[in-house]
Amino acid sequence: EADIYQTPRYLVIGTGKKITLECSQTMGHDKMYWYQQDPGMELHLIHYSYGVNSTEKGDLSSESTVSRIRTEHFPLTLESARPSHTSQYLCASSEYISDRGIDGYTFGSGTRLTVV
Amino acid sequence: GQSLEQPSEVTAVEGAIVQINCTYQTSGFYGLSWYQQHDGGAPTFLSYNGLDGLEETGRFSSFLSRSDSYGYLLLQELQMKDSASYFCASNYGGSQGNLIFGKGTKLSVKP
Repeated sequence: EADIYQTPRYLVIGTGKKITLECSQTMGHDKMYWYQQDPGMELHLIHYSYGVNSTEKGDLSSESTVSRIRTEHFPLTLESARPSHTSQYLCASSEYISDRGIDGYTFGSGTRLTVV
Repeated sequence: GQSLEQPSEVTAVEGAIVQINCTYQTSGFYGLSWYQQHDGGAPTFLSYNGLDGLEETGRFSSFLSRSDSYGYLLLQELQMKDSASYFCASNYGGSQGNLIFGKGTKLSVKP
């Protein structure tokens, strides 16, 4: 049972189009993240948010933007898609887990984006 | 910068034991987590080492040595369903720091 939802699951879109990737979580987590992952490669943090109206850029530079108007919703937007944006985009949220002593992350199933 | 290094691929047979190593840069390092990701799926949490030593969870164990900046994931009694990518990761910067991942190790389990 998924607690974090991403739509669409797959998207093929033409160059120059504006797209928004949706991410919603039902766990009430304050922290949310976007990671970019090329096939067979590592996950790169591109955006994160520590709560409503808080957004920061991650370690990997990205032309995408994010917004956080509601706790449960963290959409990612590409104003003008290019073939170089072709990748998988994974959304995650986290909360502090006292048994571990660190934040525990829950990931969505991802959006596989292809820009042609 | 922050980085974690691990082998890109490992192959083993059903029933065998495999160890996936991870070395890391110490600056900002805060414990070592392991995630499993099947093709097309979401990464899922497997194990965490906050202190040196061995943590055991069923067929999976994880180990950390801070003095060697090194950890590993040990998978025993391998099953076909264990074929997946395995990522080491750390909450760099503190217990609530952002999770930074290694490049991942693709494990192929053969019959």
